[in-house]
Amino acid sequence: QKEVEQDPGPLSVPEGAIVSLNCTYSNSAFQYFMWYRQYSRKGPELLMYTYSSGNKEDGRFTAQVDKSSKYISLFIRDSQPSDSATYLCAMSGTARQLTFGSGTQLTVLP
Amino acid sequence: GAVVSQHPSWVICKSGTSVKIECRSLDFQATTMFWYRQFPKQSLMLMATSNEGSKATYEQGVEKDKFLINHASLTLSTLTVTSAHPEDSSFYICSAPGTTGGNTEAFFGQGTRLTVV
Repeated sequence: QKEVEQDPGPLSVPEGAIVSLNCTYSNSAFQYFMWYRQYSRKGPELLMYTYSSGNKEDGRFTAQVDKSSKYISLFIRDSQPSDSATYLCAMSGTARQLTFGSGTQLTVLP
Repeated sequence: GAVVSQHPSWVICKSGTSVKIECRSLDFQATTMFWYRQFPKQSLMLMATSNEGSKATYEQGVEKDKFLINHASLTLSTLTVTSAHPEDSSFYICSAPGTTGGNTEAFFGQGTRLTVV
């Protein structure tokens, strides 16, 4: 079993839709949770970072963490074609090493 | 946010030759850098952790004699793929951990697409 599971998609939604991306994890030592966006042939860029259970909002993005269920989500409101990318969840414990999900490929159709 | 610059962005080399990839932290000092490899439609797989002034730590299954890592300064880490073969063709990405307030988010380079022919 992988430490971090993420549905690879692909996921296609119409412009303006709400997108829900999810990851589950098995390692209870994970304390820090991140979402990265990666455009084709580019390095990942950090979107959201959180370390506590609950919701964290930043513009159209909301990160949700449920440590009791070992489940994290990223919601994108009013999705735009420019949001089309691969979204990677990542998490770490006290060490700085990140463990990544496999990534979900998202396409927002105009 | 912090900037990590990685060069080259793409390289094509002949089988048997060596390729060096550079990763620089532009506006901060990075005592640690991580090197990842990413195959198409797959996630990032950690290859090694580079530590300034000491030997790199390699993940299980990664050949340290093939993937030479040097972290000679606080702003530069290099990965050299020696005697490259077509199966080494991949997307290589470096990252430096964030240092603000104990956060562990990482800042990534732009990645290097290596094609070995």
